[in-house]
Amino acid sequence: GESVGLHLPTLSVQEGDNSIINCAYSNSASDYFIWYKQESGKGPQFIIDIRSNMDKRQGQRVTVLLNKTVKHLSLQIAATQPGDSAVYFCAEIPLDSSYKLIFGSGTRLLVRP
Amino acid sequence: DGGITQSPKYLFRKEGQNVTLSCEQNLNHDAMYWYRQDPGQGLRLIYYSQIVNDFQKGDIAEGYSVSREKKESFPLTVTSAQKNPTAFYLCASNHRGGQPQHFGDGTRLSIL
Repeated sequence: GESVGLHLPTLSVQEGDNSIINCAYSNSASDYFIWYKQESGKGPQFIIDIRSNMDKRQGQRVTVLLNKTVKHLSLQIAATQPGDSAVYFCAEIPLDSSYKLIFGSGTRLLVRP
Repeated sequence: DGGITQSPKYLFRKEGQNVTLSCEQNLNHDAMYWYRQDPGQGLRLIYYSQIVNDFQKGDIAEGYSVSREKKESFPLTVTSAQKNPTAFYLCASNHRGGQPQHFGDGTRLSIL
């Protein structure tokens, strides 16, 4: 079945460096993608989203890139800070679901001081 | 502040017991969702509701039940038929046809 997965389960970066978290998706018909951040013991927090008619979208210190040719999604965090340490999930919404999010298993980001 | 409130934060269940997890939102969202999260894994959809008095099964509905009598409330009951209920349960909501989903801070359910 369709699924959203992540290449790296854990990513360790130095404070101040840029982080890149990757995600592969299998449903080429997916219309909408979201990145969430989840801190320990809390619910996922929305970071940024992107629609399938876009290749790139920027927020504050974060950028999401979408490559539909290879079905790949990435989250770039500039000047990574200790507060960025968390688990990051990508999620997709297939065109035929409207409401249902399909989540990947997550990548843990560790920021070294 | 507007948001989603889940209670309790921690819950313990005895064998053969049903327990109910509360989820309340004051965001005026039409749609609400329940997810289950196991350690080191992503979220799996249990049930969702797009409108009051209507709800649909998600991917792992067996052993769970829900009701949607009010727009702002979507309680989840973990029944005794759910043999492996230990998990982190997350409630979410959004406007119909609109994303992203907003999440509460979860209830952690354990077995005594």
